[in-house]
Amino acid sequence: GAGVSQSPSNKVTEKGKDVELRCDPISGHTALYWYRQSLGQGLEFLIYFQGNSAPDKSGLPSDRFSAERTGGSVSTLTIQRTQQEDSAVYLCASSLAVGNRANVLTFGAGSRLTVL
Amino acid sequence: KQEVTQIPAALSVPEGENLVLNCSFTDSAIYNLQWFRQDPGKGLTSLLLIQSSQREQTSGRLNASLDKSSGRSTLYIAASQPGDSATYLCAVSNDYKLSFGAGTTVTVRA
Repeated sequence: GAGVSQSPSNKVTEKGKDVELRCDPISGHTALYWYRQSLGQGLEFLIYFQGNSAPDKSGLPSDRFSAERTGGSVSTLTIQRTQQEDSAVYLCASSLAVGNRANVLTFGAGSRLTVL
Repeated sequence: KQEVTQIPAALSVPEGENLVLNCSFTDSAIYNLQWFRQDPGKGLTSLLLIQSSQREQTSGRLNASLDKSSGRSTLYIAASQPGDSATYLCAVSNDYKLSFGAGTTVTVRA
């Protein structure tokens, strides 16, 4: 597609429920990244994919968070048993490749998650 | 761990003034530095990318400099306009991971 698409744009859920956030990267971009932007916390790295592999999952806050990518394209970030501290904007980005000093990331508009 | 600091946190200027936004980082072993713009409720838009071997990049009214040895970058926006009002984020890359500053929120008064 022309840009990075994320859905849903807004999600309100109750504490303890599971949520899935979807990211559709730019066609041909092999690298995909998830970041979280919390109020007062700034942007933090969660995970990245090179193709369908996730070499670095160190940014995932807990084992309630998981992510997968299929077909080298769409990625899903899943949060199980949501907690109020999970409330944030989850941003997805994609780029042509990893390890290139001219690597420009294109970000989606984000999915705003509110846990009541 | 890479720490990125942006000063000032907020800036308000009259239309036409030049803007100077500062970014500092603690680990000089970076791949590149990027400046992003974020409008309320929106994602990030990449403005400029400076590779670690470069000293500056220019795009229109925007100019960004990089002094890797001192861990500093400055974004200059010439002749500011109300449409420049947004939050500007600096991010340094260590290959695949971006470390972001907290941003500078700019308001340009008409």
